[in-house]
Amino acid sequence: AQKITQTQPGMFVQEKEAVTLDCTYDTSDQSYGLFWYKQPSSGEMIFLIYQGSYDEQNATEGRYSLNFQKARKSANLVISASQLGDSAMYFCAMREGSGNTGKLIFGQGTTLQVKP
Amino acid sequence: DGGITQSPKYLFRKEGQNVTLSCEQNLNHDAMYWYRQDPGQGLRLIYYSQIVNDFQKGDIAEGYSVSREKKESFPLTVTSAQKNPTAFYLCASRVYSNQPQHFGDGTRLSIL
Repeated sequence: AQKITQTQPGMFVQEKEAVTLDCTYDTSDQSYGLFWYKQPSSGEMIFLIYQGSYDEQNATEGRYSLNFQKARKSANLVISASQLGDSAMYFCAMREGSGNTGKLIFGQGTTLQVKP
Repeated sequence: DGGITQSPKYLFRKEGQNVTLSCEQNLNHDAMYWYRQDPGQGLRLIYYSQIVNDFQKGDIAEGYSVSREKKESFPLTVTSAQKNPTAFYLCASRVYSNQPQHFGDGTRLSIL
């Protein structure tokens, strides 16, 4: 069965430092996609970054980068130069590869707190 | 601006009552999704629809029902059969499968 595991329930980081949020996944599909979303305390889900299973380069979007290690089945999110506004819950999600449903499987999330 | 609108923001349900959560999108997306989120947890898929007049059960469909009569609209009904409906409900849509899902702002449902 497909599964996403986020082992860090909570993380602290000092403002302006970099932080890595861990995500491991389990799938037997060859084609799949990995997403990271940010959920502030207000509740909305904000898309951050996407990595396809066949992408050779690690994805980057501004201060966000995805450290994709396919053999280890990990897709860690790196946030550089943390800001106070980065305090939120972060979810890793995997698009099911079979069919074309676009269904996402989410991890349990990691709560990040940025300290001034 | 294009986006997904969920209403109401807060909803209270009495025992034995059905309630309907609204989800409307003007992004011209084909696929729409409903998720449930319990406190401190990830999202779980309730129902999804890839095309008008068609929808499929997700992982936790029991006690819920949906309809997709229009491309723009995907309402979710929480029936009295759902014994633990208190949760945060999120609606999402996407244009095709390797594009991210876009989410609404959610509806918080509580029991009176």
